[in-house]
Amino acid sequence: AVQLVESGGGLVQPKESLKISCAASGFTFSNAAMYWVRQAPGKGLEWVARIRTKPNNYATYYADSVKGRFTISRDDSKSMVYLQMDNLKTEDTAMYYCTAGGSSPDYWGQGVMVTVSS
Amino acid sequence: DVLMTQTPVSLPVSLGGQVSISCRSSQSLVHSDGNTYLHWYLQKPGQSPQLLIYRVSNRFSGVPDRFSGSGSGTDFTLKISRVEPEDLGVYYCLQSTHFPYTFGAGTKLELK
Repeated sequence: AVQLVESGGGLVQPKESLKISCAASGFTFSNAAMYWVRQAPGKGLEWVARIRTKPNNYATYYADSVKGRFTISRDDSKSMVYLQMDNLKTEDTAMYYCTAGGSSPDYWGQGVMVTVSS
Repeated sequence: DVLMTQTPVSLPVSLGGQVSISCRSSQSLVHSDGNTYLHWYLQKPGQSPQLLIYRVSNRFSGVPDRFSGSGSGTDFTLKISRVEPEDLGVYYCLQSTHFPYTFGAGTKLELK
């Protein structure tokens, strides 16, 4: 069965950095596009970032709200995907979901909470 | 950015009934490759979202045939027939034709 397990969340202060991780299993990781989607408390879903596969040069795409501050990356040898978050803002407080798929997020992890507060 | 307008915001339903959710986009979702990347998700209370329908009308693995998707261009519909208790939650549409990808604001399906 497909499993996506996020880790690394927590409480940080504004302008600080945090790196969250996602361990994938149960599918051919190297063939899957990977995504991060977030959900602020009590709010709807917001797409954050996408990384494509090696044949697609690991191309990355970002929401305007995080461009220049967040970096998505992947390690196919470890079936891991990461989200490096720099210069965090209070509005980045959310549950962050790791998702996998092709042209859409098909499989979702349980999420990891990131809280940005002073 | 593509604006995804979902209606209604709240949808009261009786078990066994049928409902429809609309999702309209501010521009066509037909990709240059000819595909339309409009998908539907359900987020049950306290859970992660789960994919129901991908590319307008294709049911994801394990999704019952009570769920069906239709539409084209900018106008899309999710229909749920014979509503069961496990169908309750918030439904979202997502477009992945244009960057940045955008979700609808959600439709909460709840019991009358």
